[in-house]
Amino acid sequence: GNSVTQMQGQVTLSEEEFLFINCTYSTTGYPTLFWYVQYPGEGPQLLLKVTTANNKGSSRGFEATYDKGTTSFHLQKASVQESDSAVYYCVLGDRSGSFNKLTFGAGTRLAVCP
Amino acid sequence: GPKVLQIPSHQIIDMGQMVTLNCDPVSNHLYFYWYKQILGQQMEFLVNFYNGKVMEKSKLFKDQFSVERPDGSYFTLKIQPTALEDSAVYFCASSLGVPGNTLYFGEGSRLIVV
Repeated sequence: GNSVTQMQGQVTLSEEEFLFINCTYSTTGYPTLFWYVQYPGEGPQLLLKVTTANNKGSSRGFEATYDKGTTSFHLQKASVQESDSAVYYCVLGDRSGSFNKLTFGAGTRLAVCP
Repeated sequence: GPKVLQIPSHQIIDMGQMVTLNCDPVSNHLYFYWYKQILGQQMEFLVNFYNGKVMEKSKLFKDQFSVERPDGSYFTLKIQPTALEDSAVYFCASSLGVPGNTLYFGEGSRLIVV
């Protein structure tokens, strides 16, 4: 089956520090990879998405590269802000099935201190 | 961006009673989903629904669960009877089309079974 691994449960940074969140996936299908962000009291919302292997997605200063060789989709941001505090989910969508069934990672809670 | 609305936002219910969670998906979307998130844990897929039918469901989608969207109105998740372990936040999502499409999530319905 499909699986997503996020080893970091919690990351705490100061403003303007560099963010790196680790994500690896496993699938026998054809992945689309997503990062979703969930702010307190809200549902997950799309941050960025990559369909093609070895391409990079970016949004609001965040970026992630779909690395087929290492089956990774790590999230990075050069300089975080307090408003980036949220839970970040690495998500795998399998295009080999007929219908969307996203597989979520465990999530990484980012806390940015002013 | 596109909005998915969920009603109610919170509900407390006695074990054994029935509950219906309502979802108003994005207007032109064709695929609908329910996800379950127990407090502090990851999002887990329950079911997806297309053209009036359940297309896929997970092991979490017990026999006591049912979904429907009568006449293009709300997409509903009904639990009858409820159990203590059904306490969670239930997120509705919708997407326009085929695998790899972005899912848009609502803000969730927090269900507490006592």
